[in-house]
Amino acid sequence: AQSVSQHNHHVILSEAASLELGCNYSYGGTVNLFWYVQYPGQHLQLLLKYFSGDPLVKGIKGFEAEFIKSKFSFNLRKPSVQWSDTAEYFCAVTAYSGGYQKVTFGTGTKLQVIP
Amino acid sequence: EAGVTQFPSHSVIEKGQTVTLRCDPISGHDNLYWYRRVMGKEIKFLLHFVKESKQDESGMPNNRFLAERTGGTYSTLKVQPAELEDSGVYFCASSQGRGGYGYTFGSGTRLTVV
Repeated sequence: AQSVSQHNHHVILSEAASLELGCNYSYGGTVNLFWYVQYPGQHLQLLLKYFSGDPLVKGIKGFEAEFIKSKFSFNLRKPSVQWSDTAEYFCAVTAYSGGYQKVTFGTGTKLQVIP
Repeated sequence: EAGVTQFPSHSVIEKGQTVTLRCDPISGHDNLYWYRRVMGKEIKFLLHFVKESKQDESGMPNNRFLAERTGGTYSTLKVQPAELEDSGVYFCASSQGRGGYGYTFGSGTRLTVV
């Protein structure tokens, strides 16, 4: 079965600082990779996704993630964070299970951006 | 298009009581999923419906949890009787196809069992 590890549980940054959130997955087959975000009081939203092709994926709000197959990693980055990026970020992987793709989440990383 | 709707948004019940959570998926989405997040831990899969059929219910914690999906539309998740460890946020999601393109999530139901 697949699993996802997020190394940072709580990250505090000042505005304009650069962000990198780590994500590693464990699965022997082909996977699709995602980052979801949950802003305070809101629902989970898809931030970006990787299926195939260019391993550097750009998402909404200036976020990007790089898939490094040899490291089983899909780290999330943003060059300059804003206060509005304060949220919880979840890395997720899908893999086939019974003919359907099943999403497995990491434990989440809470990001707090200080003005 | 309307998103995935869940209600109630928050429920507080006493141990031993029954609670029913509801999820309305995006119209036309055959796949409906239930996930749960217990405080501070990962979001865990509970089960997956394809239309009205249970495709995978391997994540259901025990027989106190019963999920149904009437006519392949909305779904309910009933907890009876509720225990303290059932507290958490219950997420519903829906998707088209075979789910490989990501899910659309509802806002979740926060269940507190006291």
